[in-house]
Amino acid sequence: QQQVKQSPQSLIVQKGGIPIINCAYENTAFDYFPWYQQFPGKGPALLIAIRPDVSEKKEGRFTISFNKSAKQFSLHIMDSQPGDSATYFCAAVLDGNEKLTFGTGTRLTIIP
Amino acid sequence: EAGVAQSPRYKIIEKRQSVAFWCNPISGHATLYWYQQILGQGPKLLIQFQNNGVVDDSQLPKDRFSAERLKGVDSTLKIQPAKLEDSAVYLCASSFGQGLEAFFGQGTRLTVV
Repeated sequence: QQQVKQSPQSLIVQKGGIPIINCAYENTAFDYFPWYQQFPGKGPALLIAIRPDVSEKKEGRFTISFNKSAKQFSLHIMDSQPGDSATYFCAAVLDGNEKLTFGTGTRLTIIP
Repeated sequence: EAGVAQSPRYKIIEKRQSVAFWCNPISGHATLYWYQQILGQGPKLLIQFQNNGVVDDSQLPKDRFSAERLKGVDSTLKIQPAKLEDSAVYLCASSFGQGLEAFFGQGTRLTVV
Protein backbone atom coordinates (compact mmCIF):
# COMPACT_ATOMS: atom_id res chain seq x y z
CA GLN A 1 0.00 0.00 0.00
CA GLN A 2 2.99 2.27 0.46
CA GLN A 3 4.31 1.64 -3.05
CA VAL A 4 4.42 4.01 -5.95
CA LYS A 5 4.75 2.22 -9.28
CA GLN A 6 6.53 4.08 -12.07
CA SER A 7 6.93 3.35 -15.77
CA PRO A 8 8.71 3.17 -18.09
CA GLN A 9 12.08 2.28 -16.63
CA SER A 10 13.86 4.08 -19.46
CA LEU A 11 12.77 6.34 -22.29
CA ILE A 12 14.49 7.75 -25.36
CA VAL A 13 12.87 10.68 -27.14
CA GLN A 14 14.02 12.95 -29.91
CA LYS A 15 14.53 16.62 -29.18
CA GLY A 16 11.21 18.46 -29.36
CA GLY A 17 9.20 15.34 -28.52
CA ILE A 18 6.96 14.94 -25.47
CA PRO A 19 8.17 12.25 -23.08
CA ILE A 20 5.49 10.95 -20.74
CA ILE A 21 6.26 9.20 -17.46
CA ASN A 22 3.50 7.45 -15.56
CA CYS A 23 2.99 6.63 -11.89
CA ALA A 24 0.31 4.79 -9.96
CA TYR A 25 -0.39 4.44 -6.26
CA GLU A 26 -2.71 2.47 -4.00
CA ASN A 27 -2.86 4.37 -0.73
CA THR A 28 -5.57 7.03 -0.86
CA ALA A 29 -3.99 8.71 2.18
CA PHE A 30 -1.27 10.11 -0.07
CA ASP A 31 -2.06 13.79 -0.46
CA TYR A 32 0.92 15.34 -2.22
CA PHE A 33 2.67 14.13 -5.36
CA PRO A 34 6.04 15.66 -6.28
CA TRP A 35 8.30 14.85 -9.18
CA TYR A 36 12.06 14.91 -8.73
CA GLN A 37 14.79 15.26 -11.34
CA GLN A 38 18.18 13.72 -10.68
CA PHE A 39 21.36 14.26 -12.68
CA PRO A 40 24.30 11.85 -12.30
CA GLY A 41 26.26 12.50 -9.11
CA LYS A 42 23.63 14.85 -7.73
CA GLY A 43 20.80 14.51 -5.28
CA PRO A 44 17.19 14.62 -6.51
CA ALA A 45 15.76 18.11 -7.00
CA LEU A 46 12.08 19.00 -6.84
CA LEU A 47 10.71 19.72 -10.31
CA ILE A 48 6.98 20.15 -9.89
CA ALA A 49 4.30 18.89 -7.50
CA ILE A 50 0.53 18.52 -7.36
CA ARG A 51 -2.20 17.90 -4.80
CA PRO A 52 -5.12 15.55 -5.52
CA ASP A 53 -7.70 18.35 -5.67
CA VAL A 54 -6.17 19.55 -8.96
CA SER A 55 -6.25 17.59 -12.23
CA GLU A 56 -3.39 19.37 -13.97
CA LYS A 57 -0.51 21.65 -13.13
CA LYS A 58 1.92 23.35 -15.50
CA GLU A 59 5.26 24.92 -14.73
CA GLY A 60 7.15 26.00 -17.81
CA ARG A 61 7.60 22.98 -20.07
CA PHE A 62 6.62 20.51 -17.33
CA THR A 63 3.03 19.38 -16.78
CA ILE A 64 1.57 16.98 -14.25
CA SER A 65 -1.72 15.30 -15.06
CA PHE A 66 -3.55 13.76 -12.11
CA ASN A 67 -6.39 11.24 -12.20
CA LYS A 68 -7.65 10.81 -8.65
CA SER A 69 -10.23 8.13 -9.43
CA ALA A 70 -7.66 5.98 -11.23
CA LYS A 71 -4.97 6.79 -8.65
CA GLN A 72 -2.55 7.68 -11.42
CA PHE A 73 -0.47 10.69 -12.30
CA SER A 74 1.94 11.48 -15.06
CA LEU A 75 4.67 13.91 -16.05
CA HIS A 76 4.79 15.43 -19.54
CA ILE A 77 7.77 17.41 -20.81
CA MET A 78 6.93 19.72 -23.69
CA ASP A 79 9.52 20.61 -26.33
CA SER A 80 12.06 18.31 -24.68
CA GLN A 81 15.72 19.29 -24.83
CA PRO A 82 18.96 17.29 -24.44
CA GLY A 83 19.47 19.09 -21.12
CA ASP A 84 16.34 17.34 -19.83
CA SER A 85 18.21 14.03 -19.97
CA ALA A 86 18.15 12.80 -16.38
CA THR A 87 16.44 10.31 -14.11
CA TYR A 88 12.95 11.31 -13.05
CA PHE A 89 11.28 10.05 -9.90
CA CYS A 90 7.66 10.39 -8.96
CA ALA A 91 6.90 10.39 -5.27
CA ALA A 92 3.99 10.53 -2.89
CA VAL A 93 3.67 12.01 0.55
CA LEU A 94 1.47 10.55 3.23
CA ASP A 95 -0.96 12.96 4.81
CA GLY A 96 0.29 13.94 8.24
CA ASN A 97 3.83 12.56 8.41
CA GLU A 98 5.53 14.07 5.33
CA LYS A 99 7.15 10.76 4.50
CA LEU A 100 8.31 10.74 0.87
CA THR A 101 7.83 7.43 -0.95
CA PHE A 102 9.62 7.33 -4.28
CA GLY A 103 8.89 5.45 -7.47
CA THR A 104 11.60 3.36 -9.09
CA GLY A 105 12.70 6.06 -11.52
CA THR A 106 12.75 6.64 -15.27
CA ARG A 107 16.00 7.27 -17.06
CA LEU A 108 15.15 9.78 -19.80
CA THR A 109 17.45 10.43 -22.74
CA ILE A 110 16.69 13.22 -25.20
CA ILE A 111 18.60 12.77 -28.42
CA PRO A 112 19.41 15.79 -30.63
CA GLU B 1 20.47 29.98 0.67
CA ALA B 2 23.02 27.26 1.34
CA GLY B 3 21.92 23.77 0.45
CA VAL B 4 22.06 20.52 2.36
CA ALA B 5 25.68 19.65 3.05
CA GLN B 6 26.89 16.07 3.26
CA SER B 7 30.26 14.53 3.88
CA PRO B 8 32.17 12.64 2.83
CA ARG B 9 31.26 12.49 -0.87
CA TYR B 10 32.78 9.06 -1.33
CA LYS B 11 33.79 6.26 1.01
CA ILE B 12 35.23 2.81 0.37
CA ILE B 13 35.39 0.36 3.26
CA GLU B 14 35.80 -3.34 3.75
CA LYS B 15 32.88 -5.43 4.93
CA ARG B 16 32.49 -5.59 8.69
CA GLN B 17 34.09 -2.18 9.10
CA SER B 18 32.13 0.79 10.41
CA VAL B 19 31.39 4.07 8.66
CA ALA B 20 29.66 7.34 9.51
CA PHE B 21 28.07 9.98 7.35
CA TRP B 22 27.36 13.54 8.31
CA CYS B 23 24.58 15.90 7.22
CA ASN B 24 24.01 19.59 7.83
CA PRO B 25 20.49 20.54 6.75
CA ILE B 26 19.30 23.89 5.49
CA SER B 27 19.09 26.35 8.34
CA GLY B 28 15.67 26.39 9.93
CA HIS B 29 14.51 23.10 8.45
CA ALA B 30 12.85 21.05 11.16
CA THR B 31 12.51 17.80 9.21
CA LEU B 32 15.56 15.76 8.22
CA TYR B 33 15.58 12.55 6.21
CA TRP B 34 18.17 9.90 5.43
CA TYR B 35 17.59 7.91 2.26
CA GLN B 36 19.43 4.94 0.79
CA GLN B 37 19.61 4.87 -3.01
CA ILE B 38 20.88 1.64 -4.51
CA LEU B 39 22.10 1.96 -8.09
CA GLY B 40 19.19 2.00 -10.52
CA GLN B 41 16.53 2.32 -7.83
CA GLY B 42 14.56 5.10 -6.21
CA PRO B 43 15.61 6.46 -2.83
CA LYS B 44 14.34 4.47 0.12
CA LEU B 45 13.65 6.24 3.40
CA LEU B 46 15.79 4.99 6.26
CA ILE B 47 14.87 7.47 8.98
CA GLN B 48 12.98 10.73 9.37
CA PHE B 49 13.56 13.25 12.17
CA GLN B 50 11.33 16.10 13.25
CA ASN B 51 13.68 18.41 15.16
CA ASN B 52 15.65 15.90 17.24
CA GLY B 53 12.89 13.30 17.55
CA VAL B 54 12.47 10.25 15.33
CA VAL B 55 9.25 10.28 13.28
CA ASP B 56 9.81 7.13 11.24
CA ASP B 57 12.60 4.57 11.37
CA SER B 58 10.58 1.58 10.28
CA GLN B 59 12.92 0.75 7.39
CA LEU B 60 16.18 1.32 9.26
CA PRO B 61 18.07 -1.97 9.82
CA LYS B 62 18.57 -1.27 13.48
CA ASP B 63 20.93 -4.17 14.07
CA ARG B 64 23.60 -2.32 12.09
CA PHE B 65 22.37 1.18 11.29
CA SER B 66 21.97 4.03 13.76
CA ALA B 67 21.27 7.71 13.37
CA GLU B 68 21.06 10.71 15.58
CA ARG B 69 20.25 14.36 15.18
CA LEU B 70 22.07 16.44 17.72
CA LYS B 71 20.19 19.49 19.00
CA GLY B 72 17.77 19.22 16.10
CA VAL B 73 20.33 20.41 13.54
CA ASP B 74 23.17 18.22 12.21
CA SER B 75 22.73 14.50 11.84
CA THR B 76 24.97 11.47 11.58
CA LEU B 77 24.17 8.06 10.12
CA LYS B 78 26.34 5.14 11.15
CA ILE B 79 26.69 1.63 9.81
CA GLN B 80 28.40 -0.96 11.98
CA PRO B 81 29.31 -3.52 10.74
CA ALA B 82 28.91 -2.86 7.02
CA LYS B 83 27.79 -5.50 4.57
CA LEU B 84 28.36 -5.73 0.82
CA GLU B 85 24.67 -4.94 0.20
CA ASP B 86 25.05 -1.60 1.97
CA SER B 87 26.86 -0.27 -1.09
CA ALA B 88 24.67 2.64 -2.17
CA VAL B 89 24.37 6.40 -2.18
CA TYR B 90 23.18 7.78 1.14
CA LEU B 91 21.16 10.92 0.66
CA CYS B 92 20.26 13.44 3.31
CA ALA B 93 17.33 15.77 2.77
CA SER B 94 15.62 18.44 4.81
CA SER B 95 12.37 20.32 4.69
CA PHE B 96 10.87 23.20 6.56
CA GLY B 97 8.32 20.82 7.98
CA GLN B 98 4.97 21.97 6.83
CA GLY B 99 6.14 23.06 3.38
CA LEU B 100 6.70 19.50 2.17
CA GLU B 101 9.40 20.40 -0.35
CA ALA B 102 12.42 18.30 0.55
CA PHE B 103 15.84 19.55 -0.51
CA PHE B 104 18.49 16.89 -1.06
CA GLY B 105 22.22 16.93 -0.57
CA GLN B 106 24.56 15.44 -3.16
CA GLY B 107 24.85 12.23 -1.23
CA THR B 108 27.65 10.01 0.00
CA ARG B 109 28.55 7.13 -2.29
CA LEU B 110 29.50 4.14 -0.15
CA THR B 111 31.27 1.14 -1.61
CA VAL B 112 31.70 -1.91 0.61
CA VAL B 113 34.29 -4.38 -0.65
